[in-house]
Amino acid sequence: DAGVIQSPRHEVTEMGQEVTLRCKPISGHDYLFWYRQTMMRGLELLIYFNNNVPIDDSGMPEDRFSAKMPNASFSTLKIQPSEPRDSAVYFCASSRGTHGNTIYFGEGSWLTVV
Amino acid sequence: GDSVTQMEGPVTLSEEAFLTINCTYTATGYPSLFWYVQYPGEGLQLLLKATKADDKGSNKGFEATYRKETTSFHLEKGSVQVSDSAVYFCALLSRGAQKLVFGQGTRLTINP
Repeated sequence: DAGVIQSPRHEVTEMGQEVTLRCKPISGHDYLFWYRQTMMRGLELLIYFNNNVPIDDSGMPEDRFSAKMPNASFSTLKIQPSEPRDSAVYFCASSRGTHGNTIYFGEGSWLTVV
Repeated sequence: GDSVTQMEGPVTLSEEAFLTINCTYTATGYPSLFWYVQYPGEGLQLLLKATKADDKGSNKGFEATYRKETTSFHLEKGSVQVSDSAVYFCALLSRGAQKLVFGQGTRLTINP
């Protein structure tokens, strides 16, 4: 079974540009999560969806960040405009919503904003 | 709120040494507990988990026991290998919630 698939794996962009990160969750999973990992702050949950509906976006840093899940097999995280402090690894993860079920992570999108 | 505290790294050991990475948690109720591992340049992979008190999770020679009385989930391995070099994250999932709460991670380096 394919795991969580993210793209791009690596992106280098200039400050002010729009960045779109993409995620395909594991088929049959009804929860999807976006995490950000930095040296300073570790792993932070940005937002998560249940059945394509955003449930908790309290971790989204500011209005420059937005996330959508138009269907059960696709989600995007968009940063517009990007800033150097957005440089981080962004992980998408998914799970089947039963207590104790494992949350599976993608390999991450490594973003550098210069 | 829920939180996870891991021993600070980095941890450096010689091959075949015994490993312990401490993890304690604060949570209401009875969370599920997890250890994830992140190898260089890769994403997080589940290493092992336990969903109730006294459960022992094990995988690849690693093990951890869910200790409710001490609110701990320490990771152990009897004989580490160079290939175990990675960052290890302890995490909890509260009952009724879907958000993993992570510790800060412990970087482990194993020297030949």
